[in-house]
Amino acid sequence: EVQLLESGGGLTQPGGSLKLSCGASGFTFSSHAMSWVRQAPGKGLGWVSAISGLGISTYYADSVKGRFTISRDNSKDTLYLQMNGLRAEDTAVYYCAKDRGPNSGIFDFWGQGTLVTVSS
Amino acid sequence: IQMTQSPSSLSASVRDRVNITCRASQDISNSLAWFQQKPGKAPKSLIYAASNLQSGVPSKFSGSGSGTDFTLTISSLQPEDFATYYCQQYKSYPLTFGGGTKVEIK
Repeated sequence: EVQLLESGGGLTQPGGSLKLSCGASGFTFSSHAMSWVRQAPGKGLGWVSAISGLGISTYYADSVKGRFTISRDNSKDTLYLQMNGLRAEDTAVYYCAKDRGPNSGIFDFWGQGTLVTVSS
Repeated sequence: IQMTQSPSSLSASVRDRVNITCRASQDISNSLAWFQQKPGKAPKSLIYAASNLQSGVPSKFSGSGSGTDFTLTISSLQPEDFATYYCQQYKSYPLTFGGGTKVEIK
């Protein structure tokens, strides 16, 4: 059974940093790209970043480029999102999503999400 | 690539047939997925490649379209189907979602 478990969310001040983690199980982690998708309170879904299965390729939304860094440790079956320079508009539930393949952009499973709140 | 869904919300009754439309700002071939999200829950993947059901998704859900215009159809709405539905293109990065369609009980 595929499981994705996010952690690391919390409250931080504007300009602060947080590192999210997504632990994966139930599939061959290195064979699948992974993404972070966020949802601001009461709003729709917004893609944040993606990383290919072997971690060679990374992609970012313009709104987070230069502030967020996606990475993965395939030996630990874990996906990360380092978030620096946080802004109020980054407040959201952050979901990790599993790609059907090494880099297709097709999501088949989602984690339960972790809430990030940026506020003074 | 901008994704536009319509309507943004709709009211329907149990056993109704429901259609939700998604339009892409440029040709995305069939690189289109649909998701269902219930309040306080993570999204659930329903359809990819415009018309292929994800594993375990009931056949009352179907998708159609190619190029710029796509449709999600729920053939006979059941109480568990009241939710918000999103489309998403994966033709190119950045990946983009539609604004969502909330399906409510009439």
